[in-house]
Order: sequence, then structure tokens, then C-alpha cells
Amino acid sequence: KAGVTQTPRYLIKTRGQQVTLSCSPISGHRSVSWYQQTPGQGLQFLFEYFSETQRNKGNFPGRFSGRQFSNSRSEMNVSTLELGDSALYLCASSVGDRDNSPLHFGNGTRLTVT
Amino acid sequence: DAKTTQPTSMDCAEGRAANLPCNHSTISGNEYVYWYRQIHSQGPQYIIHGLKNNETNEMASLIITEDRKSSTLILPHATLRDTAVYYCIVRVDGAAGNKLTFGGGTRVLVKP
Repeated sequence: KAGVTQTPRYLIKTRGQQVTLSCSPISGHRSVSWYQQTPGQGLQFLFEYFSETQRNKGNFPGRFSGRQFSNSRSEMNVSTLELGDSALYLCASSVGDRDNSPLHFGNGTRLTVT
Repeated sequence: DAKTTQPTSMDCAEGRAANLPCNHSTISGNEYVYWYRQIHSQGPQYIIHGLKNNETNEMASLIITEDRKSSTLILPHATLRDTAVYYCIVRVDGAAGNKLTFGGGTRVLVKP
């Protein structure tokens, strides 16, 4: 079974621009979560989508948004980029049916904001 | 979610067992213990999880104390490829969704 796929792998953007990251979950998984990882803050939860609806949200500003499509693929968008948004953005998927199936992570998109 | 405490780092000899401790003294009855690891530049990799009983899979064993306030991840025969940051996470059962709260983890260095 193919794992979680994130594209692109690397991205360089300028302050003020916006960016869209993509995540394809493992086949059959309906929950997709997004995390931000920085050296200073570690791994932090952004939000989770299940069946095209946001189910959980972390403490990030409204510039960070996401969506999920009917095929469970997900995108996250960051608008008005700031230097501090430079990070590894990780996507994780799970079966998601309010069970304890583990989350499986992709290898992330490394975003650099200059 | 309950907070976890792990040593910042530890070394292990190749071929020996690596025992990684984790304290979660405020864990609730419906919270599971999960272990992930992250090798440099990759996403976290799921290792194992458990609620009360000890668990074993092809990667590792998880020992949870009877009072559930601490646990130990055991890598039975550490290899150089096990060098990674290991995260112990406690997670409310799936009814609350899939939010994981990561701490700082333990940086494990397996030495030849």
C-alpha cells in the first residue's frame, strides 16, 4: 500500500506570498491531519479533516487554512507568508472512524520563506 | 491530553536492547500511549501503542506499568538505523479525533 504522499517536497516563497501544500492519504484513510515542525516549537498540530469537515483545530492564526476533498486528499494553504512560517509541514492520515488506528505521516513539505 | 516526560537523549550500543522510558503520571483512563520515531528529514514513523497491557510487534515492545503512570519502549536489538528521535505520546481515544501532542522526545544515538 502506498504511504502518505506530500507535494511538493521543497518550496521557497517570499514574505507576503501565499502557498498551497498537498497531501494524498493512504488509500481508505478518511482522516487527514496537518502538523508544523520547527526547531524552536517542535511538532505542533494545525488541524484535522475527516469526511471533508474540519474536526479539530490547533492554535494557529487564520492565515493557516485547509480543506479536504471527497477523495480524502487534502490541501493546506498559508496566506501572507511570514518568515516564521518557515518549517517542515507534515501531513498524517488514519482510518479516522473515531477509533485508535495510528496516524501515518508523510515525509513533509519543507517551506522556506525569504 | 496528558503530558509526557522523556529523557532528552540516550546512547545505545549496536546489537543491545534499547530501553526508552516515558513518564505520563497524569494519564487518564481512556488515554492510550503511542510511540513514534523520527529519523532526520523524514516524517514521524508509528512504532507501537497500548492502553493497559504490554504490546509487542515486529519493531518493538511496549511495557506499561500497572498504574499506567509510566511506560518503556524496548527496541530488542538496536541497529544503526534506529538512531532517531523517539516520541512518547498519550492520546485520548479516537472519539476526540486525531490530534497528537508531541513533546521534545528522546534523541537516541546507536553506536557501533
